[in-house]
Amino acid sequence: GQQLNQSPQSMFIQEGEDVSMNCTSSSIFNTWLWYKQDPGEGPVLLIALYKAGELTSNGRLTAQFGITRKDSFLNISASIPSDVGIYFCAGQLRGSNYKLTFGKGTLLTVNP
Amino acid sequence: SQTIHQWPATLVQPVGSPLSLECTVEGTSNPNLYWYRQAAGRGLQLLFYSVGIGQISSEVPQNLSASRPQDRQFILSSKKLLLSDSGFYLCAWTRRDANEQYFGPGTRLTVT
Repeated sequence: GQQLNQSPQSMFIQEGEDVSMNCTSSSIFNTWLWYKQDPGEGPVLLIALYKAGELTSNGRLTAQFGITRKDSFLNISASIPSDVGIYFCAGQLRGSNYKLTFGKGTLLTVNP
Repeated sequence: SQTIHQWPATLVQPVGSPLSLECTVEGTSNPNLYWYRQAAGRGLQLLFYSVGIGQISSEVPQNLSASRPQDRQFILSSKKLLLSDSGFYLCAWTRRDANEQYFGPGTRLTVT
C-alpha cells in the first residue's frame, strides 16, 4: 500500500526547545491530519489540514499542508514535559474514499 | 458531543479461544467505523472499515472478522485466537464524508 515517510522516528529534547517533524510521500493527498498518542491511550486529533499551503495553529502547535500536496510538517514551540508521546501524521489519498494512510510515528521525549 | 467507547479495556486470552471486542459511538448518526491494530512497533494497521449497517470492508486477510449489527456499534471477532493477534486494538469513527477520524481508548489484547 501507499507509504507515508515520517521523520524523525524519535526525538530527545530539552524542555523549552522547539520541535519539528514531517511526513512525505510520493503520492498526492487531499487531507493531512496530525495526531498525538499518549501511552496506553488512543490517538487524539491535533490539527486537520485541507488545502495546499494551509498553515494552521493549535496553541503551541503549527502544521502546514505542503504546496506539492505530498508533504506536511508539524512544529511544536517551547516544548513542555506533557508533550511527550507519539505523534502520527495521516493523510487521505486522492481517490481513496473513507480511509487514511498513517505514518509510523515520531516518539518525542522531553527532558525537564 | 460525540463519544466513542471500547470494551474491554484489557483482555488476556489463551490461544485458540474466541474473541469479541465491542465499539460504540454516541452522539452521531451514520458514522463510518474503523478497526485498527497497533503492534509494539507503533504503526497503525487498518483491519476493517464500515460505511453502514452490515457493510464491512476487510483490509488485511487474517484470523479476524468484523460486524456492524447496529448503526453505532462495531464488533471485532475471532473464532480462534493466535499468538500473533496480540496487540492494541483501536476503534475509530468519522462523520459521513469527512476525513477526521476520532479514536476510542483502545483494548489491550494479550494472547497467551
